[in-house]
Amino acid sequence: DAKTTQPPSMDCAEGRAANLPCNHSTISGNEYVYWYRQIHSQGPQYIIHGLKNNETNEMASLIITEDRKSSTLILPHATLRDTAVYYCLPTLSGSNYKLTFGKGTLLTVNP
Amino acid sequence: DVKVTQSSRYLVKRTGEKVFLECVQDMDHENMFWYRQDPGLGLRLIYFSYDVKMKEKGDIPEGYSVSREKKERFSLILESASTNQTSMYLCASSAGTPVALAITDTQYFGPGTRLTVL
Repeated sequence: DAKTTQPPSMDCAEGRAANLPCNHSTISGNEYVYWYRQIHSQGPQYIIHGLKNNETNEMASLIITEDRKSSTLILPHATLRDTAVYYCLPTLSGSNYKLTFGKGTLLTVNP
Repeated sequence: DVKVTQSSRYLVKRTGEKVFLECVQDMDHENMFWYRQDPGLGLRLIYFSYDVKMKEKGDIPEGYSVSREKKERFSLILESASTNQTSMYLCASSAGTPVALAITDTQYFGPGTRLTVL
């Protein structure tokens, strides 16, 4: 499994875009990049995933570099409810039955 | 939206008690999982199930058992609760089709049960 590096914490002002980076330089060609988040005392929540192309859904956008060694999760207009720990997980399609969360990034959205 | 519910948000039990944690999902998902989450140890898989009446051990099955009699319901049983089983318990489900017991696809989590064993 690819190792990931994420900053331990980030701050963002409410209403501004939050850009959360993840380095996964050892990612293999068929590993997807998944993002989850976990709000304090709640279960993890799926956000988005992608393989090569950038992806967007109602929650966020995912930008994956061309060499796939890093990605950025973008919350376009952060709200206080987006304060959470965000996890980046390279996931090998077809072989991963358990999720391995690293330490993630604690995003604090400030009013 | 996928909905995964767990029977209790908070539970306090005594050492030696038999404890049942229930999980229900409403999206007809094939796969269901039980994890525990502890500070500094991250998420650890206890058991998972890829079909009714089927179960597979995860990384830390000792002291636990599971039951899946119906597709939508996956129960975690602590046969004789101990203080080291005090933890946050998380249930998840996913729709992926298993291939040689490898299950892909997004996992959707319940809110968690914080269990304290005294």
